[in-house]
Amino acid sequence: SQQGEEDPQALSIQEGENATMNCSYKTSINNLQWYRQNSGRGLVHLILIRSNEREKHSGRLRVTLDTSKKSSSLLITASRAADTASYFCAFNNAGNMLTFGGGTRLMVKP
Amino acid sequence: ETGVTQSPTHLIKTRGQQVTLRCSSQSGHNTVSWYQQALGQGPQFIFQYYREEENGRGNFPPRFSGLQFPNYSSELNVNALELDDSALYLCASKGSLGNEQFFGPGTRLTVL
Repeated sequence: SQQGEEDPQALSIQEGENATMNCSYKTSINNLQWYRQNSGRGLVHLILIRSNEREKHSGRLRVTLDTSKKSSSLLITASRAADTASYFCAFNNAGNMLTFGGGTRLMVKP
Repeated sequence: ETGVTQSPTHLIKTRGQQVTLRCSSQSGHNTVSWYQQALGQGPQFIFQYYREEENGRGNFPPRFSGLQFPNYSSELNVNALELDDSALYLCASKGSLGNEQFFGPGTRLTVL
């Protein structure tokens, strides 16, 4: 069973719009990471936010973390058709094991 | 490209058979993890190897086993295959510094 949950499960937007995905978890964490996956291929690491950080930016990506609510969000600004993919949050709570959420399938229409 | 490769890309087996999946980590990465990803779901942690020793295991039965070799390659072995073992199997390697894991493209296993 997944210990992380993401919503929405699917999101469809127009190119140029912003996309926001949310992740919730149940345990204490060391860090939370976001990954992208194209069409059932390997995962690509996007960004990592540590448990003592509240916000982090990388290009068009903005991640927030609220440890009191055990939640994180990923914002993709000015989306492009090439951003179409599945996005997963994953967190470390013990050792190097990653626990993944169920993912958000993002479709960006040109 | 993450520098992590997996073979084969696709594989079809029948129930009861055994399968070996292979992964080649980035040079210098002494930690490798294996994940199972069922269709439409997030990856689930199977186990992790560090310096050729199992270093953590998820909720998978003993018929899932692994090996890690000194040349940064590793194997996932699954015995007595079941239909529910059909999934994408991902390996990920990690170096000594940082928390980022580098994933391979995966092996898609179909059990008939």
